[in-house]
Amino acid sequence: DIVMTQTPLSLSVTPGQPASISCKSSQSLLYSDGKTYLYWFLQKPGQPPQLLIYEVSNRLSGVSDRLSGSGSGTDFTLKISRVEAEDVGVYYCMQSRQLPRTFGQGTKVEIK
Amino acid sequence: EVQLVESGGGLVQPGGSLRLSCAASGFTFSTYSMNWVRQAPGKGLESVSYISSSSSIINYADSVKGRFTISRDNANNSLYLQMDSLRAEDTAVYYCASTKYWGQGTLVTVSS
Repeated sequence: DIVMTQTPLSLSVTPGQPASISCKSSQSLLYSDGKTYLYWFLQKPGQPPQLLIYEVSNRLSGVSDRLSGSGSGTDFTLKISRVEAEDVGVYYCMQSRQLPRTFGQGTKVEIK
Repeated sequence: EVQLVESGGGLVQPGGSLRLSCAASGFTFSTYSMNWVRQAPGKGLESVSYISSSSSIINYADSVKGRFTISRDNANNSLYLQMDSLRAEDTAVYYCASTKYWGQGTLVTVSS
């Protein structure tokens, strides 16, 4: 199975400041079709996860442009340009390059 | 409006069985691969099982292989998870999910 490793596991951020989450995979997530199957989710307290970004850097409709995804191969990053209260929750990366799909451990983001 | 509604969770004794169901609406269910993803209390996300749109590809996490069976009925827009030989470590909220769409989850508690 592909192992997904997120760092850090928690972040405490002052409103308006940037935040960054790293996600590393144990194998390349680049598939033969040229796509890289790396996703980012946010789980707010008491809610199911919600998809934010697909295939590394594509924001879902309605997702704030303060969020951006980047990376390639095995190294990926989610950046929040200016953290707001609505960004609080646990962020997960997930790969679907290979079954079974696997998630990172989650990064808990809170506001200072 | 897209909806995924899980049912069938509850309290079951170790060694027992449960069948989870997921009713889909608001999107073309038959064209989407689907997943069961679980989250133990206070823990991260674990992909339990995957089924392709036509049921031709099925995959299970090692932790449930041989005990759980995923299936779908595209005519009735439904996804299922038959869970046998349940263990205490199967206690979790079980989510029915494509990548983009997630249900609210159903709680399975395995305890004597």
